[in-house]
Amino acid sequence: QQKVQQSPESLSVPEGGMASLNCTSSDRNFQYFWWYRQHSGEGPKALMSIFSDGDKKEGRFTAHLNKASLHVSLHIRDSQPSDSALYFCAASEHNQGGRALIFGTGTTVSVSP
Amino acid sequence: AQTIHQWPVAEIKAVGSPLSLGCTIKGKSSPNLYWYWQATGGTLQQLFYSITVGQVESVVQLNLSASRPKDDQFILSTEKLLLSHSGFYLCAWRDWVYEQYFGPGTRLTVL
Repeated sequence: QQKVQQSPESLSVPEGGMASLNCTSSDRNFQYFWWYRQHSGEGPKALMSIFSDGDKKEGRFTAHLNKASLHVSLHIRDSQPSDSALYFCAASEHNQGGRALIFGTGTTVSVSP
Repeated sequence: AQTIHQWPVAEIKAVGSPLSLGCTIKGKSSPNLYWYWQATGGTLQQLFYSITVGQVESVVQLNLSASRPKDDQFILSTEKLLLSHSGFYLCAWRDWVYEQYFGPGTRLTVL
């Protein structure tokens, strides 16, 4: 069973609109979370990390973490066509050592002009 | 600054043929290295990881093998390709506690 589930699977947003992505983990050992973005044909790139409960804002992107409910969200304000991509949530335990991040199921975002 | 290269950029291979994909990290000493497989539009399936030269741990084999012959190099290979091996192969490195950094990927088509 996938330890990190994302919703929705896909999302269509008009240019200038708000996109909201959700991520829920089933493992209470996860302490650190990232959002990654992958454009078609490229490797994923980290958008932002969030390690503490609450909101973290970076430009048009705001992440929210609630460790009690194991829920992370990403909100993209003023969406641009360049935001069209596959978005992944990723999680890590506190003492993960050399093991990789655990990636979610992904959300495809399409921003229409 | 660290850079990560993958080769080749793309491959078209026949079922049953051998395969070797490579990944090189520059500017980072003794990185943790990872191989992932991704179906089109799909999630990232971790295949192997390596903490040090000569040591590779398998997560999901999928009839593939991996080796780390040098500190900055990670190789993915198989002697006999299957149709199911088609996809996007990604190499990544990670600091001990920080985020992962991915390479540009190799697109593999098996016919």
